[in-house]
Amino acid sequence: QVQLQESGPGLVKPSQTLSLTCTVSGASISSGSYYWSWIRQPAGKGLECIGRIYTSGSTIYNPSLNSRVTISVDTSKNQFSLKLSSMTAADTAVYYCARDRGYGFDSWGQGTLVTVSS
Amino acid sequence: DIQMTQSPSSVPASVGDRVTITCRASQDISSWLAWYQQKPGKAPKLLIYGASSLQSGVPSRFSGSGSGTDFTLTISSLQPEDFATYYCQEAVTFFRAFGQGTKVEI
Repeated sequence: QVQLQESGPGLVKPSQTLSLTCTVSGASISSGSYYWSWIRQPAGKGLECIGRIYTSGSTIYNPSLNSRVTISVDTSKNQFSLKLSSMTAADTAVYYCARDRGYGFDSWGQGTLVTVSS
Repeated sequence: DIQMTQSPSSVPASVGDRVTITCRASQDISSWLAWYQQKPGKAPKLLIYGASSLQSGVPSRFSGSGSGTDFTLTISSLQPEDFATYYCQEAVTFFRAFGQGTKVEI
């Protein structure tokens, strides 16, 4: 059974770059037709897709965040990562990594709270 | 962009009730629609995909229907563990838009 686990700082200063890593176990990140995705959820609000990376390495980003987002993959560590630059208070949220099967997100990490504050 | 609109935003319900949640897409998404359940402090859980296919391990009291722009999630007999927030999500575009959520509460 595939498991995902987010890791990274819980507190980021305004204007800094957030770096999160998702470690995948129980499945190879480089095999299968999956999209490896980042999704966030501000407190008390809905879910927003940040972007995703395909097993081929191609990426798709939410246009509203496009200029600030980079998603990359490290197949040797079975991990994929998120970088979000120029963080503001509006980026405070729980960040999830998830596996997209094409028809839906069938596996999720537990989520990590990221707070933007000086 | 496709917009996903759920109604109602909250549903007062009791154990044993039949609960129906509606999701409308701003354009035709065929059957590329998924439903999720989220409990407080937890990640969402995939319930339904392809508008009506039950994800493995999900109880059969959950069902989905619809195609095109109008979809429904039905819980046939609400159980105590079903009190949660439910989200629909389109799976046809690159951007995977979610609805705003429907809270099923006592």
